[in-house]
Amino acid sequence: NAGVTQTPKFRILKIGQSMTLQCTQDMNHNYMYWYRQDPGMGLKLIYYSVGAGITDKGEVPNGYNVSRSTTEDFPLRLELAAPSQTSVYFCASSPTASYGYTFGSGTRLTVV
Amino acid sequence: RKEVEQDPGPFNVPEGATVAFNCTYSNSASQSFFWYRQDCRKEPKLLMSVYSSGNEDGRFTAQLNRASQYISLLIRDSKLSDSATYLCVVNTLNYGGSQGNLIFGKGTKLSVKP
Repeated sequence: NAGVTQTPKFRILKIGQSMTLQCTQDMNHNYMYWYRQDPGMGLKLIYYSVGAGITDKGEVPNGYNVSRSTTEDFPLRLELAAPSQTSVYFCASSPTASYGYTFGSGTRLTVV
Repeated sequence: RKEVEQDPGPFNVPEGATVAFNCTYSNSASQSFFWYRQDCRKEPKLLMSVYSSGNEDGRFTAQLNRASQYISLLIRDSKLSDSATYLCVVNTLNYGGSQGNLIFGKGTKLSVKP
C-alpha cells in the first residue's frame, strides 16, 4: 500500500518556467489537498478537492492551478514560477474533511 | 485570535523527562482534534487523535478542554527519537456549519538531549 506518492522529490526551476507537481493516492480517498510549507512556518493550504471534478481554493491559491480528473490523481500546476514559490509542497488525502490526513513525502522546489 | 495557536518552543529536555505542549483554538464548534509529528525535512505524520475524554497511547497522553478551547499533549519518559516538531490540528467549519478542512498549527519544536 503506497499511500500518497509525490513526484518529483526535488526540482529547481528558473523564473518564468512552469511545471506540474504530481500527486497520486491509492486509498480511494475522496479528499485531496495541496499545502506549501516555508522554512520555520506552518502548512498553508493552496487548493483542495472533495472528489473527482471538484476543486476549491485554499488560503494561498495565487500562481497555482489544479485539476482532479480521477479519484487517484491531484496534480498541482505552477505557471510562471516566481522566487516566492520556493517552498516544500505536500500533497495529502483523507476519506472525509475532518479525518486525519495522510501526507506524501513532499516536493522540495527552488525557483532561481 | 489565531485559529490554532501553539508555543513555538524550542523545548530542550533531557532524556527521561516529561514534557507538555499546549495548543489553543478559536472555533468553539470544532469537532476534530489531532496531534501530528513532523521530523526535520519530512512530511507530517499523524501521532494521535484527541478525544473529549482524553486518551493515551503508550507514553503519549492527549487532553481536550472544550470550555477553554485548549488541547494538550504530554510525553512521558522522553526518548531521543521523540525529537521533532509537534503540530496541533483542529478542523474548520464550513459556512453551512458542517465540519470542514483541518487547520495545522505552526508546531512546537522538541529537542531531547542525552
